[in-house]
Amino acid sequence: DAKTTQPNSMESNEEEPVHLPCNHSTISGTDYIHWYRQLPSQGPEYVIHGLTSNVNNRMASLAIAEDRKSSTLILHRATLRDAAVYYCILRDDNYGQNFVFGPGTRLSVLP
Amino acid sequence: SQTIHQWPATLVQPVGSPLSLECTVEGTSNPNLYWYRQAAGRGLQLLFYSVGIGQISSEVPQNLSASRPQDRQFILSSKKLLLSDSGFYLCAWSSDRDDEQYFGPGTRLTVT
Repeated sequence: DAKTTQPNSMESNEEEPVHLPCNHSTISGTDYIHWYRQLPSQGPEYVIHGLTSNVNNRMASLAIAEDRKSSTLILHRATLRDAAVYYCILRDDNYGQNFVFGPGTRLSVLP
Repeated sequence: SQTIHQWPATLVQPVGSPLSLECTVEGTSNPNLYWYRQAAGRGLQLLFYSVGIGQISSEVPQNLSASRPQDRQFILSSKKLLLSDSGFYLCAWSSDRDDEQYFGPGTRLTVT
C-alpha cells in the first residue's frame, strides 16, 4: 500500500483555520486521498476525499498539490469538537483495496 | 438512514475466557462489513472483512475469528482470550468495497 506521512501532533486556537499536511510522495495515478478523523473514544468518521482537484464539503476542504505528492486538509474555523486524530489514507478506489490507517495527526484545539 | 450498532460498549474478561462481540447494521442491504482493532495509542488494524453472508477474509493471523450468520450481522469471536487481545474493537460497513466506510461506536475490551 502507498504510504503517507503526517505530523504526530498539531495545535490550533479555537475559531482559527487549521491546515493539516500529508505527504504521499509515492502516490500512484489511481490512488485517491481520503481523510478520516477519530474523536476520543469513538470510531473514525469520514471527512473528505479527492483524486486531483481540490474538494470542499460542509466539514472541510482538501487541497491537493499539482504533482499529487502532498495534500492539506483545511478546517476553516476550528472548534473544540474538532479535536481528534486525523488520518490521511491513500487507496486505489477502483480495486476494492482496504483502508490502511497510520498513526495520524492528533489535533488539539485551544479555547 | 443507516445505523451501525455494536455491543457491548465495554467488556472486561479474564485470560482464557471466550469472546463474542456483535455488530449489526440497519438501513442497508448486502453491506461490506469490517472488524478493526485499535491498541492503546495506536492506529487501526484491519482484522476481517466480509463481502457477503458466510464470506470472511482474514487480514492478519490471530487468536480471533469472525462470522457473518446474517446479511447485516457480523460477529467477532475467540475461544480463549490472550492479554494481547485487549483493545478497542471497531466494526464498520460500506456499500461497496470502493466506498467510504462508516464506523460503529466500538467495544473497549480489557483482558485481565
